[in-house]
Formats: sequence, structure tokens, C-alpha cells
Amino acid sequence: DIQMTQSPSTLSASVGDRVTITCRASQSFSSWLAWYQQKPGKAPKLLIYKVSSLQNGVPSRFSGSGSGTEFTLTISSLQPDDFATYYCQQYNSFPWTFGQGTKVEIK
Amino acid sequence: EVQLVQSGAEVKKPGRSLRISCQGSGYTFTGYWIGWVRQMPGKGLEWMGIIYPGDSDTRYSPSFQGQVTISADKSITTAYLQWSRLKASDTAMYYCASGSPYDAFTFWGQGTMVIVSS
Repeated sequence: DIQMTQSPSTLSASVGDRVTITCRASQSFSSWLAWYQQKPGKAPKLLIYKVSSLQNGVPSRFSGSGSGTEFTLTISSLQPDDFATYYCQQYNSFPWTFGQGTKVEIK
Repeated sequence: EVQLVQSGAEVKKPGRSLRISCQGSGYTFTGYWIGWVRQMPGKGLEWMGIIYPGDSDTRYSPSFQGQVTISADKSITTAYLQWSRLKASDTAMYYCASGSPYDAFTFWGQGTMVIVSS
């Protein structure tokens, strides 16, 4: 199985900050990496798929990059609606696996 | 509009069986995978397994293999997650999600809360 490790686990930031979350994989793979946002009491929402493709309706301040074993989610200018928990997921091979999550808190 | 509608919350005693459901609409049910994701209270997302309703190809995470059964009835566009003997540690929110090996889990159900308590 491919293990996914996110860092940091918690991130404190202010509105307007540039935020970067990292996801490292236990083995290298090409393109099949997604990012989700989850707010308390809600189902996760797909933000980015295939490393860097923005899901329809997701603001352009979200972007993804990376390859091999290291991937990043960047929020270019944090907005009040962005305080949430973010998860990466590899879907390169079964079992698809999630990272443990990164909670973005208000500083 | 694509929708995944899950069955309602359940409260069960340990040792009992349970089946929860996820009905898809607004898309070709047999053309996309449907997966199940567990979220224990205050914890992260865990990928449990997935089924392709078109041919019933089913894959499980090793952590859940033998613990649950995933199935689908394409005639009523519904996927299921089933336990034969519940444990207290099965208490969690369970989400279904549909997607493909191209864009992962695009659409999600609203979640089904399962509480197992004596």
C-alpha cells in the first residue's frame, strides 16, 4: 500500500496569507493525487485532481503541484471560507489512501 | 444534477448486523466507481473499499477486508456497506463517494452516522 503523510498536521494562518500543505508518498507515482477540503459536520469536497487540475467551481486561489513522492496544495491568499481540514489522497493504485489531514486554523 | 443519497443514522448493539445504502442519481451509475470512507469521531478519512457497479469488481483496503462487505444493485442504482457483526469500534460516520481513476472522488453522499453501543 502507498502511505501518505501530510505536514503540518495543524497550521495557524491569517486571512490573506499564502499557505502550503505538503503530502509525501511512501513510493513514487505519477499523476493520481487529489486534494479535498472538509468543514466540520460536512462531507469532504474535491478541490484538485490529477495533481494540479482544479475541480469545477473551485476558486483559482487553490493550486496543486508535485510529482514522484512529494506533492503540495497551495492557497495563494487565505480567505475566511478556507479555514477547514485538508486531505490528500493517492488513487494511483488500490487501496486508494488518504493523508492524515491538515487543519488550517485562524491565527 | 449528480446526487448520492445515503440512508439514515443507525444505533445498533454490538454483535448485530447492519447494511447502509447509497443511492446514486443524475449520472451513469454503472460507469463510475463508488467507494466507502470511514471517519471515526474527531479523526481523519479512511478509505475502506470500492465497487464498480458495471461489473461488480470490488476492492478492499487490507484494514477492512473481511470486516465489511461492499455490494451494489445497479437495477436500483444503489451501493451498500454491510457488517455481519458490529463492534463498538465501528462507531463512525460513513461516506459514500463516486468517481473514477481519472478524477478520484468527485461526488460525495451526506454521510451515515453509525453508533454501536450496548
